[in-house]
Amino acid sequence: AQSVTQLGSHVSVSEGALVLLRCNYSSSVPPYLFWYVQYPNQGLQLLLKYTTGATLVKGINGFEAEFKKSETSFHLTKPSAHMSDAAEYFCAVSGSPAGNKLTFGGGTRVLVKP
Amino acid sequence: GAVVSQHPSRVICKSGTSVKIECRSLDFQATTMFWYRQFPKQSLMLMATSNEGSKATYEQGVEKDKFLINHASLTLSTLTVTSAHPEDSSFYICSARGQGPYEQYFGPGTRLTVT
Repeated sequence: AQSVTQLGSHVSVSEGALVLLRCNYSSSVPPYLFWYVQYPNQGLQLLLKYTTGATLVKGINGFEAEFKKSETSFHLTKPSAHMSDAAEYFCAVSGSPAGNKLTFGGGTRVLVKP
Repeated sequence: GAVVSQHPSRVICKSGTSVKIECRSLDFQATTMFWYRQFPKQSLMLMATSNEGSKATYEQGVEKDKFLINHASLTLSTLTVTSAHPEDSSFYICSARGQGPYEQYFGPGTRLTVT
């Protein structure tokens, strides 16, 4: 069984400030971890994923996430927030790198203040 | 990039009627499609997985006779909510996988309201 917990359903950051979105998971098998972003009225877009290898994963739009097995975490960060980062972000876990049968967290809505 | 569309984007129907939602992969062939349901302020929950030409595999607790899924071609899957009731009101999202790189491409979702 797998589950994902995203701490904070809403996060507000100032433009230029660090964005930190927290994700903790539980998995009975080696996890494959994903972060997706959803803009209003659009589908989910893959930001980045961890399958194997390097634990620090870089994605699109300047985001990165670090897989920490000891902490069962996969937090998403971006050094400097842009107004265009305002969206909803979902962390997800799968038992396969293909992302089949994704289990999603509850989502975190990011508001960027000018 | 790969694009997945859904139609309609919003639908309102009366209790007891059926409604069909289409999911199309526009520029690639999708061997596998997934249907998710999202309640307000909640996670996306996988409802079923469908492979082209095969019967869908439903997740535990999802009524297969109520949520009919058809994946008759490599670019189209449909979800039919039969005898809809107000508790079926939700946001339904599909995603599609091709045979290549391992990524699911998501549609924009369909908001279903049953009155």
